[in-house]
Amino acid sequence: SQQGEEDPQALSIQEGENATMNCSYKTSINNLQWYRQNSGRGLVHLILIRSNEREKHSGRLRVTLDTSKKSSSLLITASRAADTASYFCATALNQAGTALIFGKGTTLSVSS
Amino acid sequence: GAVVSQHPSRVICKSGTSVKIECRSLDFQATTMFWYRQFPKQSLMLMATSNEGSKATYEQGVEKDKFLINHASLTLSTLTVTSAHPEDSSFYICSAQTSGRANEQFFGPGTRLTVL
Repeated sequence: SQQGEEDPQALSIQEGENATMNCSYKTSINNLQWYRQNSGRGLVHLILIRSNEREKHSGRLRVTLDTSKKSSSLLITASRAADTASYFCATALNQAGTALIFGKGTTLSVSS
Repeated sequence: GAVVSQHPSRVICKSGTSVKIECRSLDFQATTMFWYRQFPKQSLMLMATSNEGSKATYEQGVEKDKFLINHASLTLSTLTVTSAHPEDSSFYICSAQTSGRANEQFFGPGTRLTVL
């Protein structure tokens, strides 16, 4: 089963622009994580935000979490062509030993 | 630390044959391993959860007799796709969790299965 939705499904921007992706989920969570996946490749873990955190930064990435709205956003600033990939949010429930549940993903294309 | 490997990375087989995919935690003991499947341009869908030494728990719609999962040790889980058919062609990704870091999962690089 999938936890939630991401929007937009696809996003095309120019290098240097910012990209914002949103994720919504349905149940209470322990944490929410964002992953990147280049075409045909494995997952790259980007950032984890815990349920008691509201915002987190890592380099050009900024993640927010609103547990009241059950939503999160990923902002990539000053995008580069190398940021072209699919981005997935994944939620971890409060029960230990349960799997991450992935959203449907956003495909980002950054053109130079 | 926390490295997970998968073997093979890519496999092509004929319809009707069985394929085994291995998932290993290289530097930690994985008390729980998860198997996901990803079809082209789609997200990861959880197939099953396996705990070392016990039977796997399958998600709804996943045939346990077709996708055999064995988690015989704390560092190895295997997924066997039995009597594979073209519709089983997919990207299979495993992940592992250790009891000391229960809310973290470490992902393998994935196995691309193509059934002709």
